[in-house]
Amino acid sequence: NAGVTQTPKFQVLKTGQSMTLQCAQDMNHEYMSWYRQDPGMGLRLIHYSVGAGITDQGEVPNGYNVSRSTTEDFPLRLLSAAPSQTSVYFCASSRGTVRETQYFGPGTRLLVL
Amino acid sequence: GQQLNQSPQSMFIQEGEDVSMNCTSSSIFNTWLWYKQDPGEGPVLLIALYKAGELTSNGRLTAQFGITRKDSFLNISASIPSDVGIYFCAGQNDYKLSFGAGTTVTVRA
Repeated sequence: NAGVTQTPKFQVLKTGQSMTLQCAQDMNHEYMSWYRQDPGMGLRLIHYSVGAGITDQGEVPNGYNVSRSTTEDFPLRLLSAAPSQTSVYFCASSRGTVRETQYFGPGTRLLVL
Repeated sequence: GQQLNQSPQSMFIQEGEDVSMNCTSSSIFNTWLWYKQDPGEGPVLLIALYKAGELTSNGRLTAQFGITRKDSFLNISASIPSDVGIYFCAGQNDYKLSFGAGTTVTVRA
């Protein structure tokens, strides 16, 4: 099993550009989520999904879109990048929620100029 | 979002020392979790706590779920060089995790 994979590892964008951060898991996990990590603030939940076709907003959803067309993939879209979206983005997955470990991917470092 | 206050922000350890860190919240959580993050990696779960008052160990790590369900602590005994990294507490209700800002553990020269 590859676990949770994220691409790209690093990306530089200009303000206003759009891009998609990819996340995939091969563990048949129902639950997937996206977090951003900023210095001194821990990880904050952006969006999450409890299964294919179902998504919901987390703590900081503005400026981000998600969709979940398959169990394996959960892409995060930035429609019009802003410097405030410079961060490290982590994707996580788990079999369920209660008493199930969330496995994190290695992260995508995004710099918006 | 829900705010978790984690302290200390950073600490220096000497090999063999015991270290402690804690996390408090104004909100109640059903589950408390402790993660460790190494540079360039995602967080990895160390200990999960599911019941108020629960004390759980994982090797040299011990963590407790506070009685009020608003706090938790993590102890590391007999620290070793590979204990360096960033430790995060997280509280969970339903599908959502709320994280503390982290405790950075560094080896004292």
